Amino acid sequence: AQSVAQPEDQVNVAEGNPLTVKCTYSVSGNPYLFWYVQYPNRGLQFLLKYITGDNLVKGSYGFEAEFNKSQTSFHLKKPSALVSDSALYFCAVRDRGGATNKLIFGTGTLLAVQP
Amino acid sequence: GAVVSQHPSWVICKSGTSVKIECRSLDFQATTMFWYRQFPKQSLMLMATSNEGSKATYEQGVEKDKFLINHASLTLSTLTVTSAHPEDSSFYICSASITSGRANEQFFGPGTRLTVL
Repeated sequence: AQSVAQPEDQVNVAEGNPLTVKCTYSVSGNPYLFWYVQYPNRGLQFLLKYITGDNLVKGSYGFEAEFNKSQTSFHLKKPSALVSDSALYFCAVRDRGGATNKLIFGTGTLLAVQP
Repeated sequence: GAVVSQHPSWVICKSGTSVKIECRSLDFQATTMFWYRQFPKQSLMLMATSNEGSKATYEQGVEKDKFLINHASLTLSTLTVTSAHPEDSSFYICSASITSGRANEQFFGPGTRLTVL
């Protein structure tokens, strides 16, 4: 069965420090991987995706993520956190071989950046 | 580009009434739209996949007669919550998918907050 795990419900980091939001996946075949951010009472905003190519993917707002096939992980990172980065972050996966392009979401990680 | 809108952004209704939520792709044609619901502090749960001109495919456990989905055109899908009850109160989010060239990427609407009294 396909699944995505975000092991941390919340990540706390001081402004200016690097941040990491963890994500691991389990799918058959090679996945498409996504990160989305959600601000309160808003829809999801796309941050970045991995399809193929370089394992390090750069996205919006200075975020990046590293695809690690051996560890089946796709952790989200940013070198220097901002207070405005505080939001709910979702990792998602779509099975390339799937009949539809359904996304499977992780449970979300709340990022809190302290000034 | 790739903007998805939802209307209304929030709605309050009485128990037993029906509520319609619209999802529009504003600057692209979407053959597939998805409907999700999200409870507070929880992840998105896919309710159904909607393809233009055909019946929606509902996820297991989602009542198709309660959550009516219509996808009449390549830019509009509607979700009607029939005979709404307080337990239907939730945040409903739609997404629209471009069929080619963008790896079937989904673009999400801003969501609709439904409160059933």
